[in-house]
Amino acid sequence: DIQMTQSPSSLSASVGDRVTITCQASQDISNYLNWYQQKPGKAPKLLIYDASNLETGVPSRFSGSGSGTDFTFTISSLQPEDIATYYCQQYDISRGFTFGPGTKVDIK
Amino acid sequence: EVQLVQSGAEVKKPGESLKISCKGSGYSFTSYWIGWVRQMPGKGLEWMGIIYPGDSDTRYSPSFQGQVTISADKSISTAYLQWSSLKASDTAMYYCARQGAVAGTSFDPWGQGTLVTVSS
Repeated sequence: DIQMTQSPSSLSASVGDRVTITCQASQDISNYLNWYQQKPGKAPKLLIYDASNLETGVPSRFSGSGSGTDFTFTISSLQPEDIATYYCQQYDISRGFTFGPGTKVDIK
Repeated sequence: EVQLVQSGAEVKKPGESLKISCKGSGYSFTSYWIGWVRQMPGKGLEWMGIIYPGDSDTRYSPSFQGQVTISADKSISTAYLQWSSLKASDTAMYYCARQGAVAGTSFDPWGQGTLVTVSS
């Protein structure tokens, strides 16, 4: 199985801060890595696909990078509406889909 | 607008059976995989399985193989997730989600979720 780890598990930052979340895969997944935002009581929403591509309509303060086993998700300037849990997700042709454990982001 | 609409919340007793649904609209239902994802109370997302409604090809996560059944009725653009004998540990929110149109390894969009509560 491919294991996904995310860090940190939670963070608290001020409005306007730059926030970075990392996701690590236990083996090479090329760029098959997606990022989702889940606000409390809501369904997840796709933000970034294939590691670095911004989904249509998603604000440009969100970005992603990486390939292979190490990936980064960044919010360039944290806004109050960004309070959510963020999940990475990988796809492996033999084992299917795996989500990371999530990173809860709140405002300091 | 591409949309997935799930059936309403359910309250069941242990041992009962259940089938929840996910109706797609605004796109060709038979051309995209639909996945199911579990979220237990206060926990993260777990992929359960996926179905291609065009030919009903179905894949399960090893963690859920034999525990649930995924099916689809393409005539009414609806996918299903069912249990034959519920356990208290099946209490969770269940989401359906369509294969992404641009990135086929992503899920987009998602249904609103169906809350399943299993309690005696």
